[in-house]
Amino acid sequence: NAGVTQTPKFQVLKTGQSMTLQCAQDMNHNSMYWYRQDPGMGLRLIYYSASEGTTDKGEVPNGYNVSRLNKREFSLRLESAAPSQTSVYFCASAAGTSGNTGELFFGEGSRLTVL
Amino acid sequence: GENVEQHPSTLSVQEGDSAVIKCTYSDSASNYFPWYKQELGKRPQLIIDIRSNVGEKKDQRIAVTLNKTAKHFSLHITETQPEDSAVYFCAARGSGNTPLVFGKGTRLSVIA
Repeated sequence: NAGVTQTPKFQVLKTGQSMTLQCAQDMNHNSMYWYRQDPGMGLRLIYYSASEGTTDKGEVPNGYNVSRLNKREFSLRLESAAPSQTSVYFCASAAGTSGNTGELFFGEGSRLTVL
Repeated sequence: GENVEQHPSTLSVQEGDSAVIKCTYSDSASNYFPWYKQELGKRPQLIIDIRSNVGEKKDQRIAVTLNKTAKHFSLHITETQPEDSAVYFCAARGSGNTPLVFGKGTRLSVIA
């Protein structure tokens, strides 16, 4: 049972390049989330998907897009990377919908550096 | 929307002492308050949570208290051990179908 799997684990981009972070969960969870973690800033929500077919903006959505491809997969895309997007990105999932999630299960994180 | 403040940002304690981390929240309708632990280089993991109909919850050396009137909740770790060293995040879920909002974290160092 893998839980939440993120790829890639590490990525270096140049300013203006695009990339997609992939996330998949095998726990049949309804809701999925993308957070970014920066020193001293905690975990800030970028986008979330309360259920298959829906996506909503979180606290810091600018510069990102998401796709809930199916119940298992939730991808995060950076269309034109900027140095301010250098961060560690965590995908998470939970059994319930956003209003009643219970425990969040996190992936191992993806460290992105934008030069 | 919900806003969560967490204090202190860093905390050092001697092994065997207690540690207390405090959080305040802004939405009086918030009803779920989990705590996550993140060891260095690892993913955050849930260690304990409390719902708004409960004032205190314990799990071995860890306890969480909730004061709904004052809108604050705290994590208490007793008999601290070196393996308790980590970053701890509090979170709160506001009203409606809003996702969790996290505090900025507390880096706890337990000195042997």
